[in-house]
Amino acid sequence: GENVEQHPSTLSVQEGDSAVIKCTYSDSASNYFPWYKQELGKGPQLIIDIRSNVGEKKDQRIAVTLNKTAKHFSLHITETQPEDSAVYFCAASDREGAQKLVFGQGTRLTINP
Amino acid sequence: DAGITQSPRHKVTETGTPVTLRCHQTENHRYMYWYRQDPGHGLRLIHYSYGVKDTDKGEVSDGYSVSRSKTEDFLLTLESATSSQTSVYFCAIRPASTDTQYFGPGTRLTVL
Repeated sequence: GENVEQHPSTLSVQEGDSAVIKCTYSDSASNYFPWYKQELGKGPQLIIDIRSNVGEKKDQRIAVTLNKTAKHFSLHITETQPEDSAVYFCAASDREGAQKLVFGQGTRLTINP
Repeated sequence: DAGITQSPRHKVTETGTPVTLRCHQTENHRYMYWYRQDPGHGLRLIHYSYGVKDTDKGEVSDGYSVSRSKTEDFLLTLESATSSQTSVYFCAIRPASTDTQYFGPGTRLTVL
């Protein structure tokens, strides 16, 4: 089955700097890669996703890149703000049927003012 | 919150007792999921449903059962709770027309 590895587990950056979180996956059949943000005491919330027919996707300060050959994808946050502090999860699945997501272990991002 | 509620939000129980967690949605989406979240493991799929009375196992289904007798409700049951089932449980729904899973607020379960 699919296995998703996420790094780093913790990341601390200065406000205004960029943050990058990386994930690798094992199953070449996976073709959907969402990123979730989880704030303390809440459920995960989708912030961006990418499908395997696209190499990069951007939404304001957030971007995701996908390298299918190497089986890795990354989340990029530019001009970080204090409200970006949270736990971020990557996930992978195929888009067929019920879409069973396999999550990475999570990255705790701290933005230092 | 995509119209998802989970109950109870917090529960403390003893080893060996049965526990049922409820996920309720207001928008009649076809797909519903139960995940557990533990430090160092991210979220792991327990069971999922693709319609009324249609359910299947996820990667960590041992010790759990589910039922979906109505579109809006997806129940997760721990027949005999163990300390290893202490966790935060999240329900998610997915509209059939999208790839996005929307998560509920979670239930924190402690098994003593």
